[in-house]
Amino acid sequence: GDSVTQMEGPVTLSEEAFLTINCTYTATGYPSLFWYVQYPGEGLQLLLKATKADDKGSNKGFEATYRKETTSFHLEKGSVQVSDSAVYFCALGSFNDYKLSFGAGTTVTVRA
Amino acid sequence: EADIYQTPRYLVIGTGKKITLECSQTMGHDKMYWYQQDPGMELHLIHYSYGVNSTEKGDLSSESTVSRIRTEHFPLTLESARPSHTSQYLCASSEYSGQETQYFGPGTRLLVL
Repeated sequence: GDSVTQMEGPVTLSEEAFLTINCTYTATGYPSLFWYVQYPGEGLQLLLKATKADDKGSNKGFEATYRKETTSFHLEKGSVQVSDSAVYFCALGSFNDYKLSFGAGTTVTVRA
Repeated sequence: EADIYQTPRYLVIGTGKKITLECSQTMGHDKMYWYQQDPGMELHLIHYSYGVNSTEKGDLSSESTVSRIRTEHFPLTLESARPSHTSQYLCASSEYSGQETQYFGPGTRLLVL
C-alpha cells in the first residue's frame, strides 16, 4: 500500500542554519504530497502541498518539490528561526482513498 | 482558517470511567477522522467517517467507538477508560478525497490514572 518514509529526528540546529528533512514515498498512481507542522501543544496544520510531479510547494520560507523520478518530497528552509521549532510530518494522499498516509514525524529544535 | 474544535483540551480521569471526546467542525466537511498520537509523536488513524451514519475502523485497533449523527459532529467514546488509553487524540476533517487538505483540531490530551 501507499506509504511515506521520513528522516528520523530529533534534529537540533542553530538559528539561521539550513534545514532539510528528507521524505520519500511509495504509491500507485499520482498521489498528492503534503508537509504538516505541529507546534507545541497544538494540532497539525498544513505547511505546504504539491499535487503533481515537478510542483513546488512553498510557505513561510519552506519549500518542497514533488520529484516523481526519485519519489521524494524533501522539505527545505534556508534560514531557520527559533519559532520553527516543531514536529514536521510528511504525508501522502490518494484520489481513491480518503485517508492520508503520514510519516513518523521529525522533531526540529532551533536554538538561538 | 480552519474551524474545527475539540473539547476538553485536557482530561485526567480514573480507571473504569466512561468518557466522550468531542469534535466539531463548521466547514461542512463530509470526511472526518480521529488519530491517536503516541509520545514519539507518530500518528495512528483509529476511526474515520465518510459522512452521516458512516463510521469505519482505522489502521490502529482501538477500544474506542465513534458516531456520526450530524455532519459537523464526530464524538469519540471510551466505555471504560484504562491507563493504556493515555494519549493525545486529534480530530481532523477534509472536504473530499485523500488528496485534499485535512484540517486538524487542537487535540485532547487524556491521562487515565
